Amino acid sequence: GQNIDQPTEMTATEGAIVQINCTYQTSGFNGLFWYQQHAGEAPTFLSYNVLDGLEEKGRFSSFLSRSKGYSYLLLKELQMKDSASYLCAVGSNYQLIWGAGTKLIIKP
Amino acid sequence: NAGVTQTPKFRILKIGQSMTLQCAQDMNHNYMYWYRQDPGMGLKLIYYSVGAGITDKGEVPNGYNVSRSTTEDFPLRLELAAPSQTSVYFCASSGLARGTDTQYFGPGTRLTVL
Repeated sequence: GQNIDQPTEMTATEGAIVQINCTYQTSGFNGLFWYQQHAGEAPTFLSYNVLDGLEEKGRFSSFLSRSKGYSYLLLKELQMKDSASYLCAVGSNYQLIWGAGTKLIIKP
Repeated sequence: NAGVTQTPKFRILKIGQSMTLQCAQDMNHNYMYWYRQDPGMGLKLIYYSVGAGITDKGEVPNGYNVSRSTTEDFPLRLELAAPSQTSVYFCASSGLARGTDTQYFGPGTRLTVL
């Protein structure tokens, strides 16, 4: 079957760095997406990786290793507004398989 | 440019009632999707469309119907509402095939069936 795993919840301190991991097992691979979803709101796009390596976008970076079926989202200089759920999604055979999301709690 | 819009934002239905959730996009996207999201769960695909006049089932289509008469609009119909359909419903669209392109989401409809 097709499966995506990510931690249910993580806690970090304002100003620190946090890494949210995502592992996947899918029958195909068209790319890996990270979305941010604040409570009560819609998901919004953060990043897309299709090749191995690190993609940096401001305070957020996303890494992909296709051979290991592994990705992470790295958030630097955490701010209170980063408190949200982070959804990992994998494109596979023209479907988008969603993880359940990681709820990130930021403490002052 | 409004992106993806959804109405209503909130709705309470009684068991057995029917309703239509509206979704529209102004980005000229061919691909449109309906998802439901239950608390603590990932997004589940209900139906999707690859263009006007073409729709197909997702993971959880039972109890729902869709139509796509124009590129812009993709309404979701609930017939004979059941408590199991209590959820948050998101409509989304993308310019390219699903799984290969960013999806843009509407603000969601919170539905409660009592």
